[in-house]
Amino acid sequence: QVQLQESGPGLVKPSETLSLTCTVSGGSISGYYWSWIRQPPGKGLEWIGYIYSSGSTNYNPSLKSRVTISLDTSKNQFSLKLSSVTAADTAVYYCARQYIRKTNWFDPWGQGTLVTVSS
Amino acid sequence: QTVVTQEPSFSVSPGGTVTLTCGLSSGSVSTSYYPSWYQQTPGQAPRTLIYSTDTRSSGVPDRFSGSLLGNKAALTITGAQADDESDYYCLLYMGSGISVFGGGTKLTVL
Repeated sequence: QVQLQESGPGLVKPSETLSLTCTVSGGSISGYYWSWIRQPPGKGLEWIGYIYSSGSTNYNPSLKSRVTISLDTSKNQFSLKLSSVTAADTAVYYCARQYIRKTNWFDPWGQGTLVTVSS
Repeated sequence: QTVVTQEPSFSVSPGGTVTLTCGLSSGSVSTSYYPSWYQQTPGQAPRTLIYSTDTRSSGVPDRFSGSLLGNKAALTITGAQADDESDYYCLLYMGSGISVFGGGTKLTVL
């Protein structure tokens, strides 16, 4: 079955750019929507945005000015970049497949990776 | 900006039934919001329980059910077990490709 695995630096300095990659195994990235979701420590989930396998994207309006999601179909990966980070961006970041046509849900999810913003 | 609302906490006795709800700060939840529900235990990724209001995800036991209740989406757990003690999040589709999670409900089984 499809599995997702996040990877990237666990520590990012304030004002710099957070970069994460999600590797999809057990299935193709083509024909699906792929999302990033985050969860600050002790808080709830926040949808960041998605990318379709064609490359079209959609972002949370509250993060839109700082977010870029891209994909590399040759590597079966998609990536997140979040610029100008602050301590408020400290969170566990999850990647997930999103079903969005005549429905809206996430499955499966990656295990998540903690990113701390600190100098 | 519309907020997705959930009860912050709830408790249920083992073997009991509990219904968690997911509403809007303004307006009513309908099937067009495609409500889905996720269970999360500490340190773990969320697990998908219900999507499209009332469809159980693969492998989810039938004691978890989803519905619309009044002007809200609802998740009902019947025959609560100790390992149902988790955080539960709902997700609503707001249109234009935008998804919003509720703040989550911490369920205690005692």
